[in-house]
Amino acid sequence: QSVLTQPPSASGTPGQRVTISCSGSSSNIGSSTVNWYQHLPGTAPKLLIYSNNQRPSGVPDRFSGSKSGTSASLAISGLQSEDEADFYCASWDDSLIGWVFGGGTKLTVL
Amino acid sequence: QVQLVQSGAEVKKPGASVKVSCKASGYTFTSYNINWVRQATGQGLEWMGWMSPNSGNTGYAQKFQGRVTITRNTSISTAYMELTSLRSEDTAVYYCARQYGDYVGWFDPWGQGTLVTVSS
Repeated sequence: QSVLTQPPSASGTPGQRVTISCSGSSSNIGSSTVNWYQHLPGTAPKLLIYSNNQRPSGVPDRFSGSKSGTSASLAISGLQSEDEADFYCASWDDSLIGWVFGGGTKLTVL
Repeated sequence: QVQLVQSGAEVKKPGASVKVSCKASGYTFTSYNINWVRQATGQGLEWMGWMSPNSGNTGYAQKFQGRVTITRNTSISTAYMELTSLRSEDTAVYYCARQYGDYVGWFDPWGQGTLVTVSS
């Protein structure tokens, strides 16, 4: 049972827009920033969004992040087959004094 | 370029210990915390702990308290994660990651991962 709650799966067709939600509490998302990671099996996780809505250089602007209260979301527009991966949200938790992750969302491009 | 390179796969018996290394290059090792995260088969990412390479200070997830130790050797820019009393549930890929940025920051980059298999 992960501290942050994500839907286990999401899907869309090429060109569509999909969103992935991440729900937390006042001790994590509500009082800290949210980062998103993209993970392909057998590879190292990759930073996708940091500080709620910032994109590292090299990440396409099709990816965007937002945060409101104790929830955050990742949006992917213009879906491409190469976007198939697992996506994780993460935040610092002041009560647990540690990082917490969502359970991950497996994105399928139909 | 900034890079974290981890040691190779390990096979251990239940009750044994494992020590995974993470060598940093391309930046000043002592300037950023190193974190360890694992992914068990079919599971999500799970944070294990952090270490300041500068001071040696550490913090561990409650789940691993007493079983995990994160250390470093600054002369070779390498961090280590040792996990003791291994059980089958510890079979996982273990990642190190640099904690970068302002405030609490974020993890970037990550090491390539080290598969630890616990089996009798």
